[in-house]
Amino acid sequence: QSVLTQPPSVSGAPGQRVTMSCTGSSSNIGAGYDVHWYQQLPGTAPKLLIYGNYIRPSGVPDRFSGSKSGTSASLAITGLQAEDEADYYCQSYDNSLSPNWVFGGGTKLTVL
Amino acid sequence: QVQLLQSGPGLVKPSQTLSLTCGISGDSVSSNRAAWNWIRQSPSRGLEWLGRTYYRSKWYNDYAVSVKGRITINPDTSKNQFSLHLNSVTLEDTAVYYCARGVVGATTNWFDPWGQGTLVTVSS
Repeated sequence: QSVLTQPPSVSGAPGQRVTMSCTGSSSNIGAGYDVHWYQQLPGTAPKLLIYGNYIRPSGVPDRFSGSKSGTSASLAITGLQAEDEADYYCQSYDNSLSPNWVFGGGTKLTVL
Repeated sequence: QVQLLQSGPGLVKPSQTLSLTCGISGDSVSSNRAAWNWIRQSPSRGLEWLGRTYYRSKWYNDYAVSVKGRITINPDTSKNQFSLHLNSVTLEDTAVYYCARGVVGATTNWFDPWGQGTLVTVSS
């Protein structure tokens, strides 16, 4: 069981908008810790997609956006493309067992 | 551009020690603005942070409770790399192991970049 909860899967057609959630608790996201997002293409290492809740690193298309509210965060992808098919993970910090950086279980995005 | 290159064996026997190395290019293991982490990924445990080493006028280490007592992460300034040693391994330690640079954020670190990953299988 991951500390951060993500839906196992989401799907959308090319060109559509999809969102995926990341739900935490008062010891992690709700405590004010930032959320970061990673994209993992099949057979590769995770790649930073969003940091500091909503900031895109250089080179990441503006089709990807992040937000955070309360004990949850969300990743949105607009103008869905076939190459977006991947696993997406959220990450934050949990102060119940210090030090402890925690991840969500991941969401598999399928582009129909 | 920072790059991390992992090396080490992909097969370890039960009760023995898992050892991996992560070579750094484009940054320094002695950087005052980064931490050097090991993270593993398995179907049963997902992504799991294991520990880190970092330099802030002196060297520090932090380890996850789940592996504390079995793990050591060491910097090697002469080769600009860091290593992971996990002893007394069991089948549950079978996973893909990643090294990653921890970047200091406003409230918590994020990991960028990651090494290419090493599948380590614990088997006799």
